[in-house]
Amino acid sequence: AQTVTQSQPEMSVQEAETVTLSCTYDTSESDYYLFWYKQPPSRQMILVIRQEAYKQQNATENRFSVNFQKAAKSFSLKISDSQLGDAAMYFCAYSQEYGNKLVFGAGTILRVKS
Amino acid sequence: DAGITQSPRHKVTETGTPVTLRCHQTENHRYMYWYRQDPGHGLRLIHYSYGVKDTDKGEVSDGYSVSRSKTEDFLLTLESATSSQTSVYFCAISGNIEAFFGQGTRLTVV
Repeated sequence: AQTVTQSQPEMSVQEAETVTLSCTYDTSESDYYLFWYKQPPSRQMILVIRQEAYKQQNATENRFSVNFQKAAKSFSLKISDSQLGDAAMYFCAYSQEYGNKLVFGAGTILRVKS
Repeated sequence: DAGITQSPRHKVTETGTPVTLRCHQTENHRYMYWYRQDPGHGLRLIHYSYGVKDTDKGEVSDGYSVSRSKTEDFLLTLESATSSQTSVYFCAISGNIEAFFGQGTRLTVV
């Protein structure tokens, strides 16, 4: 079975600085999808960024980018120019098929200091 | 936002009572999922459905059952609630595209 590990229960960053959240996963498959979800205090699950395993290029969405290392099974999220609104729980997730049957990590709480 | 509604949003129930949570979608998506969220575990899949009357177990299915008699509705039932089922429950939908999540139901079993 696939597993996803987030080794940082909590992280802090100064406003306008850059922070990187770590995620590793375990799978024997060669094709899969990886996601980062944001969960603010409202509890809503918000998709931040996604990566298809067959793509070598790292995904980027505005201030959010990933460092996808397929051989190392590592998928980290970099948040640049951190804003107060970035404070939330962040989940890394894996899926064999896009959007289906997600396997989540335990989450990382991100605190942003002003 | 995707049309997905969970009800109720909050519920407190007593140990041993049956509880049903409802997920309703207006997107006509094929796949529907129930997850539970607990500290230290993230979200874990309870059951999922890939069509009307087609359901299957997820990682943490013990103590739960589901039914899907219509495309738009996916029900999660706790036959006899236990304190270990105190959690936040999320419904999600997808059609082989991005998964969309409901707002969650906070269930407390006392």
